[in-house]
Amino acid sequence: NAGVTQTPKFRILKIGQSMTLQCAQDMNHNYMYWYRQDPGMGLKLIYYSVGAGITDKGEVPNGYNVSRSTTEDFPLRLELAAPSQTSVYFCASSYSGAGNTIYFGEGSWLTVV
Amino acid sequence: EDKVVQSPLSLVVHEGDTVTLNCSYEVTNFRSLLWYKQEKKAPTFLFMLTSSGIEKKSGRLSSILDKKELSSILNITATQTGDSAIYLCAGASTGLNYGGATNKLIFGTGTLLAVQP
Repeated sequence: NAGVTQTPKFRILKIGQSMTLQCAQDMNHNYMYWYRQDPGMGLKLIYYSVGAGITDKGEVPNGYNVSRSTTEDFPLRLELAAPSQTSVYFCASSYSGAGNTIYFGEGSWLTVV
Repeated sequence: EDKVVQSPLSLVVHEGDTVTLNCSYEVTNFRSLLWYKQEKKAPTFLFMLTSSGIEKKSGRLSSILDKKELSSILNITATQTGDSAIYLCAGASTGLNYGGATNKLIFGTGTLLAVQP
């Protein structure tokens, strides 16, 4: 089982550049999430989706955009990268319904210089 | 504002010691509390607690939820160096959106556990 797959694993961006973090899951989960984790901090929710065509903001959505055209894919786009977006990004997914466990991808390390 | 607070922030113990990690939460529409272990990469699931007072166990790890105190503890007995990691606690918030249930996790900052040989 591939589970949740994120690409790229590592990336260095220059200030003002744009990029897309890819996320795919093969577990037929309805719910998908993007989190960021800064050093010494917990995970903060950026955006989430409850199904194809539906997305909503989390705690820290500014500077990011998402789309969910299929159940499997949930890309995260960074427009005009800023040093404050240097972080580790985790994509995750879960079955629909409350309280279900969330499965994480292995993370994408992003540095903006 | 929803929040999850973990203590201590970090802990150094010797192999064989028993440790207790604490988590308190203030989560709107609280559904469950989850514990994750994070080593070098992504968090891996440990426990999900939905009922107060019922202990969940997995080997040397156990956890319990106290809904009256809005808290949970994670115990690790006979610690080993492989237990060294960040332990994350998260409160699951549920609600209705787009005609269905939503499921969001609010994470604490984690407890860094270092187990020395």
